[in-house]
Amino acid sequence: DIVLTQSPATLSLSPGARATLSCRASQSVGRFLAWYQQRPGQAPRLLISDASNRATGIPARFNGSWSGTDFTLTITSLEPEDFAVYYCQQRSGNWVTFGGGTKVEIK
Amino acid sequence: EEQLVESGGGLVQPGRSLRLSCAGTGFNFDRYAMHWVRQAPGKGLEWVSGITWNGGRTGYADSVKGRFTISRDNAKKSLFLQMNSLRPEDTALYYCTKDTAPAPYYMDVWGKGTTVTVSS
Repeated sequence: DIVLTQSPATLSLSPGARATLSCRASQSVGRFLAWYQQRPGQAPRLLISDASNRATGIPARFNGSWSGTDFTLTITSLEPEDFAVYYCQQRSGNWVTFGGGTKVEIK
Repeated sequence: EEQLVESGGGLVQPGRSLRLSCAGTGFNFDRYAMHWVRQAPGKGLEWVSGITWNGGRTGYADSVKGRFTISRDNAKKSLFLQMNSLRPEDTALYYCTKDTAPAPYYMDVWGKGTTVTVSS
């Protein structure tokens, strides 16, 4: 099974800072990777699909990129509502798996 | 508005069964794959099971394989998860999700979830 490893587990940053989140796949998933945001007490929401395509209504400060099996979610300037947990998800191999998540917290 | 509403959660003893349901509205239910995703208290997301648009193919996480069965009724725009031989580690908030395609890709609509607690 394909394993997704997210790092760091926690990212402590100030509003306005740039956030860089990593997701590494244990084997190739092509570009078939998504990013989700989960705010406290809410269901997750889709941010990015196919590694770099923003979902409908997602602000331009969220950007996805990849190289080989390394995927990156960049938030260019953190807004107060961006402090949340972020998950990556792949859809190759045996159906679907999620990464363990990265919590972006206020420093 | 696309919406998913789960039901059927509750408190159940280990070894017993429970059946979750999910009703979809505001979209063409029969055009998309569907999934169940769970989240144990304070933990991350775990994909549980998925089903293609017509029910022709199903998938399960290793942790539930042989105990859980996913199904759908497109005429009733409903998704189900039959959970047998429940274990304490199955305790979680269970989300119903809509895929972006007829086969598994990504999840663009999530319900609010239904809570399953397995305890004696």
